[in-house]
Amino acid sequence: AQSVSQHNHHVILSEAASLELGCNYSYGGTVNLFWYVQYPGQHLQLLLKYFSGDPLVKGIKGFEAEFIKSKFSFNLRKPSVQWSDTAEYFCAVKRNQAGTALIFGKGTTLSVSS
Amino acid sequence: NAGVTQTPKFRILKIGQSMTLQCTQDMNHNYMYWYRQDPGMGLKLIYYSVGAGITDKGEVPNGYNVSRSTTEDFPLRLELAAPSQTSVYFCASSLAGAGNEQFFGPGTRLTVL
Repeated sequence: AQSVSQHNHHVILSEAASLELGCNYSYGGTVNLFWYVQYPGQHLQLLLKYFSGDPLVKGIKGFEAEFIKSKFSFNLRKPSVQWSDTAEYFCAVKRNQAGTALIFGKGTTLSVSS
Repeated sequence: NAGVTQTPKFRILKIGQSMTLQCTQDMNHNYMYWYRQDPGMGLKLIYYSVGAGITDKGEVPNGYNVSRSTTEDFPLRLELAAPSQTSVYFCASSLAGAGNEQFFGPGTRLTVL
């Protein structure tokens, strides 16, 4: 069965620090990859997604992610975090076929101190 | 567009009671989903639907039922509430097709005592 692993359960950073959140998935076929963010008290919003082409994708709010197929990874990065980035981040994977649903990782809580 | 709306926002149930969580989307999306979110566990798929009249089980369907009589609505029914169903429930929708983004509703926080 497909699964998604997020390595960091809770990350604590100071403002302006760089961020990298790890995500690995276990499916050998073609996949679509997503990072969602959930700000405190809010619903999930899409940060970025990858389905083909350039493996380095850029999303909203200065986030980017790199798909490395050989490592089954899709790590999220931001060069300089802000206090407003405090949120929970979810990696999700979907097989590249219609009718399949997202498989989510357990999430990483990011706390940024000012 | 309101996007995906869910009602109620909060609910407390007693063990054995039943209730329906409502979900409506106004984006004409074919696909709709129900997830539950538990602390430290991410989101798990309960049921999904690829169109009116078509539903299928996800990873954790036990104790729940769904129906999809229209494109817009996808209610989730709990027949005999149990404490293990205490969770936050999210409804989502997407266009048909493999890579399309899912849009999420604001969630329903359910407590079963």
